[in-house]
Amino acid sequence: SSELTQDPAVSVALGQTVRITCQGDSLRNYYASWYQQKPGQAPVLVIYGKNNRPSGIPDRFSGSSSGNTASLTITGAQAEDEADYYCNSRDSSGDLVVFGGGTKLTVL
Amino acid sequence: QVQLVESGGGLVKPGGSLRLSCAASGFTFSDYYMSWIRQAPGKGLEWVSYISSSGSTIYYADSVKDRFTISRDNAKNSLYLQMNSLRAEDTAVYYCARDHVSGIWSGYYDYWGQGTLVTVSS
Repeated sequence: SSELTQDPAVSVALGQTVRITCQGDSLRNYYASWYQQKPGQAPVLVIYGKNNRPSGIPDRFSGSSSGNTASLTITGAQAEDEADYYCNSRDSSGDLVVFGGGTKLTVL
Repeated sequence: QVQLVESGGGLVKPGGSLRLSCAASGFTFSDYYMSWIRQAPGKGLEWVSYISSSGSTIYYADSVKDRFTISRDNAKNSLYLQMNSLRAEDTAVYYCARDHVSGIWSGYYDYWGQGTLVTVSS
């Protein structure tokens, strides 16, 4: 079982703001990173560290963290943001990697 | 441009073995930690293993420990995953992925291959 917990599904109206969360004890000590995965494609890194976006990722994607919860916020969601989103971080030992179970985002 | 290309997947019987390869190009392969991450059909991502840039540090998920072996050949810009004693639950698309930060381990993956499908079935 995953040490990082995500809601299985979230929906957002086009142009509105949505927050996807990831909970786990290891997040008290380590930042999460976030990945977007569309059907049939490899995951794409969208947020890493405190709140960093790789080159090419729109600035409507942002990250934050508080206590044992990391969040990915999409401000002004677009139709192309509909995808599965996964968080990952180190596990509690700090040596291994864990992924959340994923959140399916639907843009209405 | 950075490219990661996996190969070696296929159909194998339970208890069998398979060796996956990942050919890297477009960056200095020997500077980066590398990982294997898998995704069972219709399921989420599961980290499998990572190896340090020099190959001296290796970790595995409990689900594959003592069955899988990760290795790399920096001269050939290649990453490998030797999978033994395969089980039905190992059926998945296997991705190789590059750690985001050169020289150290961050656990963030900025480049992924397209994946190779491993099917374990009799």
